[in-house]
Parts: sequence; C-alpha cells; structure tokens
Amino acid sequence: DTGVSQNPRHKITKRGQNVTFRCDPISEHNRLYWYRQTLGQGPEFLTYFQNEAQLEKSRLLSDRFSAERPKGSFSTLEIQRTEQGDSAMYLCASSLQAGITEAFFGQGTRLTVV
Amino acid sequence: GQQVMQIPQYQHVQEGEDFTTYCNSSTTLSNIQWYKQRPGGHPVFLIQLVKSGEVKKQKRLTFQFGEAKKNSSLHITATQTTDVGTYFCAGHQGGSEKLVFGKGTKLTVNP
Repeated sequence: DTGVSQNPRHKITKRGQNVTFRCDPISEHNRLYWYRQTLGQGPEFLTYFQNEAQLEKSRLLSDRFSAERPKGSFSTLEIQRTEQGDSAMYLCASSLQAGITEAFFGQGTRLTVV
Repeated sequence: GQQVMQIPQYQHVQEGEDFTTYCNSSTTLSNIQWYKQRPGGHPVFLIQLVKSGEVKKQKRLTFQFGEAKKNSSLHITATQTTDVGTYFCAGHQGGSEKLVFGKGTKLTVNP
C-alpha cells in the first residue's frame, strides 16, 4: 500500500500525559500537512511542511503542540500535557508538487484524553 | 481570518433524488477543492476548480466555481446509496498552503 500511513490508529491517554503520532507520507510527496478533526466539523489546519522545513503553523495551535519532519520523509506530531479538549482525530495529508494540488489523507489517529 | 461556510449541514434524500451542497467563502479563493468522507473514513479528494466560473463534471456529479471565486456548489444527480457520506469544500487563499475546510454536508440516502 503506497498511501499515507498513520500510527497509531487509536490512542487513549490520561490527561497530562504526552503523546506522539507518526505520519508516513506517499514517498515522492514533498509536502506534508497535519489537520485535526472533531465530530461534525471539517478538518482544521494545524501545520505544513515542505520537505523538512515547517513553513506554516496555525495561530490556533497551542505551544503544547510540536511537529517535526527531520529528514523530509516521515513526520511526528507531539502533544505535551494533554487536555480533554485535545481529543480529536488527527489527520495527516501529503501532496506531490509545489503550488495548489490535491491532498492525500491518511486514515488518521484518534486521540481520546481521559 | 478566512472562513468557509457550507449549507446545508445535513441532507436526507430518497434514492434517485438530486442533491446540492453550497460553499461560501468570506474571501476570494485561489481554488476550491471538494472532498468526500465516508462514515469512519478519511477525506478523499474529488476535484479541484481553479478558474472563475469553471464547471466540471464527473459522471453524476457537477461542480461549479463562482464568478467571484468566493462560492462553489456540488450537485449530484439521481443519488445512489453509494453517495452516502460527508462532502467538504476546501479552499486556498492567496499563496497560502493552508487549506481551509468547510464544516461539510452530511448526505444520507434512503433506498
């Protein structure tokens, strides 16, 4: 399967714990995006990478959130000191070329903070 | 900031009826994209419109981009049960890579 892969698919954590999610984009895609989706809402943009450079980050993103893409391939999204409001589906997407083009989404990681 | 609004939020139709969802942006968009998300699934790209007034068709689906590049619509003719899901519009503003999604229209089709 050469699609976007996300791990884990589900994560349950206690409030205050740190969590890390991984995204493996389609191999030749140089653009990678992280989105968050809650029930009944559309995906909300979090951040985007071109290769290893993080070029855009949502102003709504708390300082507890950090993302990396160290070698321009896979990416990780870390949430520190999780809160119940962080419970959501975290979606990763990748796209092939510069400019405006379609995004291929992964299956997502569903985070539940208890 | 840029906002993208979609109506209706929900639509229930009988199989064979038509369906339309509308998308409006508070700002001029560089493009509009449409995605479909099946229950329990992830968004899947359907189409992208770039030009003012552009119309594209995919079998029973017709997509339009408004002249002012602020609104768009998706029309499905003669719905089938396989059309069930949530349809999202999403757009870019200017040179930003930030793709702003609407809240989606959830379509259910009664057989």
